[in-house]
Amino acid sequence: QVQLEQWGAGLLKPSETLSLTCAVYGGSFSGYSWSWIRQAPGMGLEWIGEMNDSGSTNYNPSLMSRVAISLDTSKNQFTLGLTFVTAADTAVYFCARGGAERQRVTALRFSTFFYMDVWGRGTTVIVSS
Amino acid sequence: SSELTQDPAVSVTLGQTVRITCQGASLATSYATWYQQKPGLAPKLVLYGKNSRPSGIPDRFSASKSGTGASLTITGAQAEDEADYYCSCRDNSRSRELFGGGTKVTVL
Repeated sequence: QVQLEQWGAGLLKPSETLSLTCAVYGGSFSGYSWSWIRQAPGMGLEWIGEMNDSGSTNYNPSLMSRVAISLDTSKNQFTLGLTFVTAADTAVYFCARGGAERQRVTALRFSTFFYMDVWGRGTTVIVSS
Repeated sequence: SSELTQDPAVSVTLGQTVRITCQGASLATSYATWYQQKPGLAPKLVLYGKNSRPSGIPDRFSASKSGTGASLTITGAQAEDEADYYCSCRDNSRSRELFGGGTKVTVL
């Protein structure tokens, strides 16, 4: 059973760089995308971005100028970097494994559906001076 | 603001049926994925695609879609179904994942 274990600094000062790591146990990177999602206190989920197993990335446009996701396949880990943090970046950060499945939706059409089926427990990051 | 809209809260009597809705333009060409989140825990995948459930998700959870809207229905709600539920879908034009604001389900 695949498990994700995540860690990183939990207290940052404004303008510092957030760095979180997520380790994948019991599975490989191949065939999946690897995502980061965050949740501000009392708020909903916000997708940060993803990297697939071939190294392609997609990022939330609202964070694109500050975010970077990378994979280290030798260690079965992926990381999140977020530069110039502010109090607005205070949140619980989750890593997750993303999958895709092709399904028939009509007699003549198929569609690909995306999901995140394995999640880390979350890391609380507080940005405060 | 979210590009997927959900009602903030809904309540259901134990054993009755509740439907959670999600509305957004991206759903016109996609299906919603649904996550359940209980306090202090990570979200959990409950439904994806036309109506697919991961292993271990009870069949009282079902999904449907119509136009730019999607629904998650819990038929015969149980006390353990009390949680926040989030819809999401892929905005294919921008290769990003969208989340709804979440619906808090209370089981009375």
